Amino acid sequence: AQKVTQAQTEISVVEKEDVTLDCVYETRDTTYYLFWYKQPPSGELVFLIRRNSFDEQNEISGRYSWNFQKSTSSFNFTITASQVVDSAVYFCALGGFNKFYFGSGTKLNVKP
Amino acid sequence: DTGVSQDPRHKITKRGQNVTFRCDPISEHNRLYWYRQTLGQGPEFLTYFQNEAQLEKSRLLSDRFSAERPKGSFSTLEIQRTEQGDSAMYLCASSPGRGQVDYGYTFGSGTRLTVV
Repeated sequence: AQKVTQAQTEISVVEKEDVTLDCVYETRDTTYYLFWYKQPPSGELVFLIRRNSFDEQNEISGRYSWNFQKSTSSFNFTITASQVVDSAVYFCALGGFNKFYFGSGTKLNVKP
Repeated sequence: DTGVSQDPRHKITKRGQNVTFRCDPISEHNRLYWYRQTLGQGPEFLTYFQNEAQLEKSRLLSDRFSAERPKGSFSTLEIQRTEQGDSAMYLCASSPGRGQVDYGYTFGSGTRLTVV
């Protein structure tokens, strides 16, 4: 079965703090993709990053970084020096060939 | 290209009525997907099209739900005899469909349905 677990329902931080969003996934597939999406209050899902199961190299993009560990089935997302505009719901998703399985999301509140 | 468009943005309907939503994907995207998102949850897959062919349907898509993509461009999702449990955000997404795995969908802003 395919499953994504985001144990953190809601996180509140003060601006400029670093914050890590956790994601744990389950799959029997040997080839799969992992994604992070951001959903601001406007409702639209915004694509942030995609990682395939063969690429465990971690990535940094500006204030965002991702830590993919296949051994623990985790794909965590870190925002460095958070800003108020980062406030949103963040979804981790597991993708196969035809559809995605989303976690239940983590609501991030960044306070000034 | 203005992205994925969904219409209407909001719909309030009485229980038992039929509703239809429309999705216009990014032009030349041959894959189109429908997801449903209830409050506090992540999106759940409903169905997807490759061009005009509906290739997969979730068990969530009961007989009251039907989706079409007649010419491989826009798609419609119809819900017949709506129930209060149908209240949700209905999201459409499209992707180029290159290769076997797509490079992240582009989602529309969704249609929020409220059944009263």
